[in-house]
Amino acid sequence: AQKITQTQPGMFVQEKEAVTLDCTYDTSDPSYGLFWYKQPSSGEMIFLIYQGSYDQQNATEGRYSLNFQKARKSANLVISASQLGDSAMYFCAMREDTGGSGAGSYQLTFGKGTKLSVIP
Amino acid sequence: DSGVTQTPKHLITATGQRVTLRCSPRSGDLSVYWYQQSLDQGLQFLIQYYNGEERAKGNILERFSAQQFPDLHSELNLSSLELGDSALYFCASSADAGTSGRTDTQYFGPGTRLTVL
Repeated sequence: AQKITQTQPGMFVQEKEAVTLDCTYDTSDPSYGLFWYKQPSSGEMIFLIYQGSYDQQNATEGRYSLNFQKARKSANLVISASQLGDSAMYFCAMREDTGGSGAGSYQLTFGKGTKLSVIP
Repeated sequence: DSGVTQTPKHLITATGQRVTLRCSPRSGDLSVYWYQQSLDQGLQFLIQYYNGEERAKGNILERFSAQQFPDLHSELNLSSLELGDSALYFCASSADAGTSGRTDTQYFGPGTRLTVL
């Protein structure tokens, strides 16, 4: 079973509008982290936002917010006031905490991504 | 700029050859992760080093190996290259201080695009 599912291969949004990118995850670990990364056409992976499994509030970073619904195992990214520069691939990723106190491995499992296109 | 550097940016080589990709982590980060991004497999974790020691292995082929040096930079060695090894290879670093929080966020380098002809 896929650990991270992004069901939207591509999305379009009008400039200045808000858009939600979907992400569902699957884990039995009570301690985990969820991340969103942006990959523009230039190729680099840019960290956007983080949500920890024990965080009580949804994470926000500027125009990015994460709609975290733990019971549904979803971690949707909301981008407000879309800009042309937001056009990119967006990846949801999960880090499962396989060990603590610096002894664990925190590799990320990525979804297949959503290509967002912002229309002027 | 994430603070993670990778060289070279592009690499073109032939089947059967061997290449070395280099990564310097952010200042203070002890962990280095290597990922491969290809069209058919997506982004996959290859291997992690923490303070010079191998910590975890993912979907890394036996033809591939890595190491982390005392100055914490890391190298990924790819040998007996095949056409299917063509991909974007990322290095990421994090503090991995065991806090399991935002501070363990992985920051990615710009990647090395490998083309095997």
